[in-house]
Amino acid sequence: ELKVEQNPLFLSMQEGKNYTIYCNYSTTSDRLYWYRQDPGKSLESLFVLLSNGAVKQEGRLMASLDTKARLSTLHITAAVHDLSATYFCAVDVSGTYKYIFGTGTRLKVLA
Amino acid sequence: DSGVTQTPKHLITATGQRVTLRCSPRSGDLSVYWYQQSLDQGLQFLIQYYNGEERAKGNILERFSAQQFPDLHSELNLSSLELGDSALYFCASSLTGTAGEKLFFGSGTQLSVL
Repeated sequence: ELKVEQNPLFLSMQEGKNYTIYCNYSTTSDRLYWYRQDPGKSLESLFVLLSNGAVKQEGRLMASLDTKARLSTLHITAAVHDLSATYFCAVDVSGTYKYIFGTGTRLKVLA
Repeated sequence: DSGVTQTPKHLITATGQRVTLRCSPRSGDLSVYWYQQSLDQGLQFLIQYYNGEERAKGNILERFSAQQFPDLHSELNLSSLELGDSALYFCASSLTGTAGEKLFFGSGTQLSVL
């Protein structure tokens, strides 16, 4: 059974600190996606990673993909309160049309 | 605004009832996905359609069914509702539903089964 697991599930961090969210998946895929969900809101796309070694950056967030290790990371640099949200990774499973989301990481940035 | 429209936003009903959730994809998108989000199960993939055809099935219960119509809007039908079906149901769309595409999500339908 396909598993997409994120670590940690909950993260409380101080403003200005750095941290990394990890996404492990159990299937073969060269593609991984990151989404953000604000409380009570819908999901919006942050990054699309389409190959091994792909790295994307937007503001204080940087995502990378290691398909050999089946691992993606979302690195947060100098966190600010506005980054408080739940972050999901997702995998589209090779050979199917399934698009599976991870468990989510709930991030709270404290002032 | 993602361009994906879901109605209704909220739905309150009783156990044993049947409801229909509606989704209109972004203009030009041919693929529609349905997800169920609950606190204990996270974001569960239910089903995907492409241009009217079912393409992939996830953890969708037999009591649930969906379809995509010729105008590309989609409906998710939930029947014999149980308390545990209370959740936020999201629809998402993408251009072709193939590898490498990000999804655009609607604002969701909050279903409460009492």
